[in-house]
Amino acid sequence: QQQVKQSPQSLIVQKGGISIINCAYENTAFDYFPWYQQFPGKGPALLIAIRPDVSEKKEGRFTISFNKSAKQFSLHIMDSQPGDSATYFCAASETGANNLFFGTGTRLTVIP
Amino acid sequence: KAGVTQTPRYLIKTRGQQVTLSCSPISGHRSVSWYQQTPGQGLQFLFEYFSETQRNKGNFPGRFSGRQFSNSRSEMNVSTLELGDSALYLCASSFNRAYEQYFGPGTRLTVT
Repeated sequence: QQQVKQSPQSLIVQKGGISIINCAYENTAFDYFPWYQQFPGKGPALLIAIRPDVSEKKEGRFTISFNKSAKQFSLHIMDSQPGDSATYFCAASETGANNLFFGTGTRLTVIP
Repeated sequence: KAGVTQTPRYLIKTRGQQVTLSCSPISGHRSVSWYQQTPGQGLQFLFEYFSETQRNKGNFPGRFSGRQFSNSRSEMNVSTLELGDSALYLCASSFNRAYEQYFGPGTRLTVT
């Protein structure tokens, strides 16, 4: 059973556009929600993370929106660049458990 | 500060053999988690070690095992290799069990 559901599977965006990736979870014990970026041949790199006490967190061009009642969270990439082309994973865990449950990934392609 | 390092980066083994993978966490990090990444199953948690003790275990058979040393370095072992064990094995470290996890580049294991 997939603990974290991620959509879309793939996404094509024009340079300068906004990329939006959505995730949903069922386990209400989850209280830590990171996003990772992975390039081919590399390990996942931590992008940004949020905890349920805030509804939004922004770091540079990356923003996480969190809806606790809907059990959903999303990643917005503003002013998308070709260098952002990668696979993005959302994840969730309980604080202190250190076992991340990952979504299935979204392959983002930013067209110049 | 150096990142998480994993050795070897690539490995080819034959069915029935066993393999040991190594992970050196970021200096000062005491928690090490292992994940398996495959195209079919995605990123799945294997186990986590903290202060030389296994704290959490994912849903993998007993052929998968690990350990952590007093300097926080960790090894994972897979015995009686099967073709389905072919995957990218990722190690992640964090300062403590409630902090962000940072991934290494992974070890690509191919079982023939």
